[in-house]
Amino acid sequence: QQQVKQSPQSLIVQKGGISIINCAYENTAFDYFPWYQQFPGKGPALLIAIRPDVSEKKEGRFTISFNKSAKQFSLHIMDSQPGDSATYFCAASKVYNTDKLIFGTGTRLQVFP
Amino acid sequence: EAGVVQSPRYKIIEKKQPVAFWCNPISGHNTLYWYLQNLGQGPELLIRYENEEAVDDSQLPKDRFSAERLKGVDSTLKIQPAELGDSAVYLCASSFGAGGLNEQFFGPGTRLTVL
Repeated sequence: QQQVKQSPQSLIVQKGGISIINCAYENTAFDYFPWYQQFPGKGPALLIAIRPDVSEKKEGRFTISFNKSAKQFSLHIMDSQPGDSATYFCAASKVYNTDKLIFGTGTRLQVFP
Repeated sequence: EAGVVQSPRYKIIEKKQPVAFWCNPISGHNTLYWYLQNLGQGPELLIRYENEEAVDDSQLPKDRFSAERLKGVDSTLKIQPAELGDSAVYLCASSFGAGGLNEQFFGPGTRLTVL
């Protein structure tokens, strides 16, 4: 029940295309869903996050869509660029609790020019 | 502003040898985390500190792993003795306070190879 399932494992997108990464969770107590971006040799960095009181959050080319009833959330990268090539991790935790972040298994995104 | 600093960046050791990793968090961050990241996997929490106190070490294999944060600033994670299966990246992160809304800032990690 603590798992966060992420798909696909890898994704290849043409420059200018849309990248979509999906995550699903089981624990309905989770109420904070961040996405992290990790470049080779670097630690993960927070990209964007959402609370379940909204169904969508957009920051620039990055959008999180959230479906509370389905217990699923996804990251959409619009106009994908070669610089977006990285590994993306979804995660989940409880806001008002010192519980830990549970990370998905990651999606390696490659954007070709 | 300096980020989370970790050293060494890479370490290669023989199995059964001891190894230690060091982390210096972002100044002012009282919460410090050690994560294990296996190849092709997401980070998994090993231990979380609030100042000097280890408040969540439930995932730390205490038979061979130990950690300390004596003055509530930098921290050391030790493995003794190391096993082949310990080969992974060890990430340190820090945040200003615990709880989901406090962004965790990650260091670059230490890549450990056990031969």
